[in-house]
Amino acid sequence: DAGVIQSPRHEVTEMGQEVTLRCKPISGHNSLFWYRQTMMRGLELLIYFNNNVPIDDSGMPEDRFSAKMPNASFSTLKIQPSEPRDSAVYFCASSPVGGGVGNEQFFGPGTRLTVL
Amino acid sequence: KNQVEQSPQSLIILEGKNCTLQCNYTVSPFSNLRWYKQDTGRGPVSLTIMTFSENTKSNGRYTATLDADTKQSSLHITASQLSDSASYICVVSPNTGNQFYFGTGTSLTVIP
Repeated sequence: DAGVIQSPRHEVTEMGQEVTLRCKPISGHNSLFWYRQTMMRGLELLIYFNNNVPIDDSGMPEDRFSAKMPNASFSTLKIQPSEPRDSAVYFCASSPVGGGVGNEQFFGPGTRLTVL
Repeated sequence: KNQVEQSPQSLIILEGKNCTLQCNYTVSPFSNLRWYKQDTGRGPVSLTIMTFSENTKSNGRYTATLDADTKQSSLHITASQLSDSASYICVVSPNTGNQFYFGTGTSLTVIP
């Protein structure tokens, strides 16, 4: 298995532009998680899905952030409009057992976002 | 307030030496605690997971301990190797709701 796939790996954009990050979870995994990681705040959970349904989006910082999971093999995280403070590494992770956030998660390589 | 604190923030050790990383938490009620290793430029990888009833769990040269009474965990690395250089993150899950709490990590550097 290729593991969790994220694209792009690096994204540089200007303030105000729309940014879309993509994730393909491991086949057969029921849960998908989006995280943001910065030096100051470490890893933060933004939102997670169970069986394609958003379960908890309390970590989404603002209305500028939105996430979708149209099917079991694809998810997007969109930022519109982007701001310099959104610069971070965004990770997607998937878990083979649905419902429990304490189950092992398998992380993708991350997308490094820089907003100028 | 549910919190996870790790110490030290950073650590430099010589190759071959042992080291111990600490994780203290206030998360309650406790469900499980996981240690992740994150290499530079990569996503975290799970090392161990411990539930309330477990005191010690090993994964090769990594040994995690848990004291649920004092709400402390440690990760002991034996005979360190250069490849152990990474950030080590402690994550605690309560047995209620759908949350988990991340520590800010310990950055370990192993030098030859």
